[in-house]
Amino acid sequence: GAVVSQHPSRVICKSGTSVKIECRSLDFQATTMFWYRQFPKKSLMLMATSNEGSKATYEQGVEKDKFLINHASLTLSTLTVTSAHPEDSSFYICSASDPRPAGVTDTQYFGPGTRLTVL
Amino acid sequence: EDKVVQSPLSLVVHEGDTVTLNCSYEVTNFRSLLWYKQEKKAPTFLFMLTSSGIEKKSGRLSSILDKKELFSILNITATQTGDSAVYLCAVSTLDNQGGKLIFGQGTELSVKP
Repeated sequence: GAVVSQHPSRVICKSGTSVKIECRSLDFQATTMFWYRQFPKKSLMLMATSNEGSKATYEQGVEKDKFLINHASLTLSTLTVTSAHPEDSSFYICSASDPRPAGVTDTQYFGPGTRLTVL
Repeated sequence: EDKVVQSPLSLVVHEGDTVTLNCSYEVTNFRSLLWYKQEKKAPTFLFMLTSSGIEKKSGRLSSILDKKELFSILNITATQTGDSAVYLCAVSTLDNQGGKLIFGQGTELSVKP
């Protein structure tokens, strides 16, 4: 099956610093990747859709200047949380659609997630 | 507004029991419904359903979709403690975002020995 990795798995940072999270598709090329955040005991909330070579599409209420997304290649998307604050502490998960078999793109495969704690 | 609702929100059973998890949805431009299992980390894919009435099966897990009544069920037979997890239902809608998923709240299943 399709494998998606995320790095780092856990990060603790001071308030005001920026944190970069990487998401990679390991055995397939993903033209589209997605970024979610998840609070304890809550479901996944889509933050943005990341398209290779173009600007990300952000969901309503998500600040694009705070959550910078770059999708520079078909196997890598990055999420940078800029000037992080304690309320940004959360579990961030990326996913990618595996285009195989042809035409079936709905199945998203998730990375293992990044636990961000902002002190 | 598109929404996906799962029930129950939590469930406690004993090993060997059979459970049924429910997922109903109200979305425009439905494309497919997916089930995921989430343990301590990120969700793992279980099933994708696009057609009504066709059961998908994987071991002790099975799922079916009813597009007329707008719901799906996930069945787990002969439950084991390893089935303890949050089960997420998600719906993919037809838009130009490459398969955007709308998630339900999840059902937290706890299987006791």
